Amino acid sequence: GAGVSQSPSNKVTEKGKDVELRCDPISGHTALYWYRQRLGQGLEFLIYFQGNSAPDKSGLPSDRFSAERTGESVSTLTIQRTQQEDSAVYLCASSPPVSTDTQYFGPGTRLTVL
Amino acid sequence: AQKVTQAQTEISVVEKEDVTLDCVYETRDTTYYLFWYKQPPSGELVFLIRRNSFDEQNEISGRYSWNFQKSTSSFNFTITASQVVDSAVYFCALRAYYNQGGKLIFGQGTELSVKP
Repeated sequence: GAGVSQSPSNKVTEKGKDVELRCDPISGHTALYWYRQRLGQGLEFLIYFQGNSAPDKSGLPSDRFSAERTGESVSTLTIQRTQQEDSAVYLCASSPPVSTDTQYFGPGTRLTVL
Repeated sequence: AQKVTQAQTEISVVEKEDVTLDCVYETRDTTYYLFWYKQPPSGELVFLIRRNSFDEQNEISGRYSWNFQKSTSSFNFTITASQVVDSAVYFCALRAYYNQGGKLIFGQGTELSVKP
């Protein structure tokens, strides 16, 4: 079946501009996660959605970062007033309702802030 | 606090050699899960294995094997008879069973290069 998809695959923007990154989870997966991976680094947790529960935003690095998810479908990660340090690959993952333990990752969006 | 340490930043081997990737974790939780993911040059993370803290039995899957030792807080990954296609960055990750949100704590990754 189809995996997690993300768009765009690459995004180049100028400092100060806002960007929106999109994630389509695997159909039927109730949990959705956003992570950030800086060059040569491991993944940093950003935010987590589970069904209709309040999201866990504990990983968002600043108030310039926000994310939304409608029901159990698409999620959008928004970065306002982008800074050069926001340059990274943003990865989305989803997990099924039976087990929230195994997360399946999308290909990521590579964001470059000039 | 939870932490995962992968002390080996880069490893280079010649094809057919065996290689072990180290992973050491820290957690105060008594119940937790450990994971290994592979990130090939294409960038997409591929799930390899999940182990829970109650099951210390080692696991083998083809050329891959995992050695979980609670006494040393380690979850090492061995590739036997490595192949060029094994070249990738490998991440070890930790999740507390009762962690609200289920977020994974990742190590910094080990870049494995297998040369022909």
